[in-house]
Amino acid sequence: DIQMTQSPSSLSASVGDRVTITCQASQDISNYLNWYQQKPGKAPKLLIYDASNLETGVPSRFSGSGSGTDFTFTISSLQPEDIATYYCQQYDNLPTFGPGTKVDIK
Amino acid sequence: EVQLVESGGGLVQPGGSLRLSCAASGFTFSSYEMNWVRQAPGKGLEWVSYISSSGSTIYYADSVKGRFTISRDNAKNSLYLQMNSLRAEDTAVYYCARDGGVGAANWFDPWGQGTLVTVSS
Repeated sequence: DIQMTQSPSSLSASVGDRVTITCQASQDISNYLNWYQQKPGKAPKLLIYDASNLETGVPSRFSGSGSGTDFTFTISSLQPEDIATYYCQQYDNLPTFGPGTKVDIK
Repeated sequence: EVQLVESGGGLVQPGGSLRLSCAASGFTFSSYEMNWVRQAPGKGLEWVSYISSSGSTIYYADSVKGRFTISRDNAKNSLYLQMNSLRAEDTAVYYCARDGGVGAANWFDPWGQGTLVTVSS
């Protein structure tokens, strides 16, 4: 299985801050990497697919980059409604998710 | 509007069985690959199983292989997960999710609201 790690596991930032989450795969997964947002008590929502493609309807403050084993997810200007846990997920092999990054407002 | 609605969750004893259903609407169900993903209470996400649009190709996570069976009925716009030999560690919210790609489990969008399965004596 391909193992996914994320850092940090949690973060606290102010409204308007730039927030960056990293995701690392245990082997080369090309660009087969997706990002999801999960708000408390809700189902996950796809934000980014294929490392850098913004899903339709997702605000442009969200972005993703990377390839191979190292990936980055960025919120350019944190908004109160972005409070959630964010997960990366690879699909180079059978899908696996990262452990998640919980984002709070400072 | 694309909608996925899961049902069939509940409390079951260890070693028991349960069948989950997912009713799809708002899209041509027979054209899409589908998945089950679960989330244990307070934990992260775990992909469980994938089925191709025709049902001819199926994959399982190692943790459920041999115990769970995914299936679909395109005439009824429905996805199923038959869960046998249930264990305490299968306790989770189970989500059905449409696959966004072609040819294997890719990305999941959208997701249903989930159904809770609790395995306990």
